[in-house]
Amino acid sequence: DAKTTQPNSMESNEEEPVHLPCNHSTISGTDYIHWYRQLPSQGPEYVIHGLTSNVNNRMASLAIAEDRKSSTLILHRATLRDAAVYYCILRDWGSGNTGKLIFGQGTTLQVKP
Amino acid sequence: EAGVAQSPRYKIIEKRQSVAFWCNPISGHATLYWYQQILGQGPKLLIQFQNNGVVDDSQLPKDRFSAERLKGVDSTLKIQPAKLEDSAVYLCASSLLARKYEQYFGPGTRLTVT
Repeated sequence: DAKTTQPNSMESNEEEPVHLPCNHSTISGTDYIHWYRQLPSQGPEYVIHGLTSNVNNRMASLAIAEDRKSSTLILHRATLRDAAVYYCILRDWGSGNTGKLIFGQGTTLQVKP
Repeated sequence: EAGVAQSPRYKIIEKRQSVAFWCNPISGHATLYWYQQILGQGPKLLIQFQNNGVVDDSQLPKDRFSAERLKGVDSTLKIQPAKLEDSAVYLCASSLLARKYEQYFGPGTRLTVT
């Protein structure tokens, strides 16, 4: 299974942008890059996913390097409610694959008022 | 749209006792997952169902854990007998289909084995 590497923790100030990096040097052609986050005492929730092009949705933006060996989750204006563990996950969409999520340690984001 | 429901939210048992967790997925979701999350770690997949059939149970400790999804809707996860190392949060998730669809997680059941 492809692996990702993320910093253990990051800090941000409220209302400032946050860039959460993820390295995935062994990514394969059928791997999609997914981000989930887990707020305290809750189950994980889907944030965004992408394959090659940058993606935007109401929650965040995903910037993917041209060689796909790294990506960055961007929160445009961090709020206190964005304090969570953020997981970068490679999900194989190839045929015959179950598409299961393999969670690593994630990045714990602290947002300071 | 109602989310994934799980019960109970908390459970404390002694080692060697048995325990069962219940999950009701989002209506219409064919795929159901059970994850185990030990404190300080990311969730680990235990078992994946597609309708009422098992797709992946490679990480399920089958000597003590069992799961079923009768009629392809609700699911139960059982531990018998429990060990101290089973203390964790058990998360249920569902998705419309496997592979390409996002997973929706329930709030989890926090199990403490003493």
